[in-house]
Amino acid sequence: GESVGLHLPTLSVQEGDNSIINCAYSNSASDYFIWYKQESGKGPQFIIDIRSNMDKRQGQRVTVLLNKTVKHLSLQIAATQPGDSAVYFCAESRTYKYIFGTGTRLKVLA
Amino acid sequence: DTGVSQNPRHKITKRGQNVTFRCDPISEHNRLYWYRQTLGQGPEFLTYFQNEAQLEKSRLLSDRFSAERPKGSFSTLEIQRTEQGDSAMYLCASSAGTSGNVNEQFFGPGTRLTVL
Repeated sequence: GESVGLHLPTLSVQEGDNSIINCAYSNSASDYFIWYKQESGKGPQFIIDIRSNMDKRQGQRVTVLLNKTVKHLSLQIAATQPGDSAVYFCAESRTYKYIFGTGTRLKVLA
Repeated sequence: DTGVSQNPRHKITKRGQNVTFRCDPISEHNRLYWYRQTLGQGPEFLTYFQNEAQLEKSRLLSDRFSAERPKGSFSTLEIQRTEQGDSAMYLCASSAGTSGNVNEQFFGPGTRLTVL
């Protein structure tokens, strides 16, 4: 299948460990932030979102942290599984348009 | 499967030919977006429709590109006189305009275009 993100930063973690993927966003006026997961040959898949009036939001095995002071977003994945291997993108939005960051490839080691 | 479908999934064409892609959004979504993604990059916004109205076009969308959403349902993206630099994945997304999380965009699987 096709490869997404041939030259992306890569994070390698052991299966069962926690993963932290970081993202810097550019527009201080952005008020909505999203994390997407993209597997080879597929479109981005929504993971979790957060609005600018929050600094933390939890989902199933995932947590997003937002630090507006330094315009930083992170995605924490608990107990990383082989199925979590993919490229992860953060996106920021102020209206309807998403601005995507550079992705991070997550590799889960058995 | 997000419920957004795109056809074809793959298209190989020769430089100078015209190509057209189709996107079928989630049926109750009135907002539709096109993005382009090249290898190693995140998706880049191309254009946005609310119902049948095209409300924004990125400067990435040269005059060789045209998008339509004639009845506010499916959308087409046409590229005329394709160039090798048009080779990319073309992604469609849709979102709800009136209920639920209006910001959340659901992406289709994309159409991979290769221009020879």
